[in-house]
Amino acid sequence: AQSVTQLDSHVSVSEGTPVLLRCNYSSSYSPSLFWYVQHPNKGLQLLLKYTSAATLVKGINGFEAEFKKSETSFHLTKPSAHMSDAAEYFCVVSERGTGNQFYFGTGTSLTVIP
Amino acid sequence: NAGVTQTPKFQVLKTGQSMTLQCAQDMNHEYMSWYRQDPGMGLRLIHYSVGAGITDQGEVPNGYNVSRSTTEDFPLRLLSAAPSPTSVYFCASSYVGRVNEQFFGPGTRLTVL
Repeated sequence: AQSVTQLDSHVSVSEGTPVLLRCNYSSSYSPSLFWYVQHPNKGLQLLLKYTSAATLVKGINGFEAEFKKSETSFHLTKPSAHMSDAAEYFCVVSERGTGNQFYFGTGTSLTVIP
Repeated sequence: NAGVTQTPKFQVLKTGQSMTLQCAQDMNHEYMSWYRQDPGMGLRLIHYSVGAGITDQGEVPNGYNVSRSTTEDFPLRLLSAAPSPTSVYFCASSYVGRVNEQFFGPGTRLTVL
């Protein structure tokens, strides 16, 4: 069975400092993993995805994530936070055999302090 | 190319009322799905479809019906609303067989009084 755990419900950083949003997953087979961002009252935008190619994945807006199979983790990072990064972030897992079904984490709310 | 569109954007219902949320996509995607997002929670799958005429239940299907008469449209019918704070309903679409990103609509914000 697939599941996703986002280890922090809220993260607060100062502008210009690094961002780390943590995600652990459970999957029976080779998973595909995604990070989506949701700005207030907006829809979901794909930040990046891992689908069994390079384990270090670069996404939009300077975000990247590393797939670590031994740790079953897919943490999202950014070297320097910007005010516009304040949003809700969702880690998502999908795997072959479940078709296109996505399993969402409960989300991490990122606050950026000026 | 409009992507995934949803109507209405906002809706307020009274307890016991029913309504249909509309979803359409113009990308010729076979797979379409509906999710609900409750306050402080991630998205949960309600129903999905892998093509016209084919639908199946997701994680939280009770109280909802869907149909898929065309590739483009995937309406969600809420049968009898229960009081709840604002939930957001998202429609998504993608190609079948490619575990790839799903394209999400902008959402419908629903409040039941």
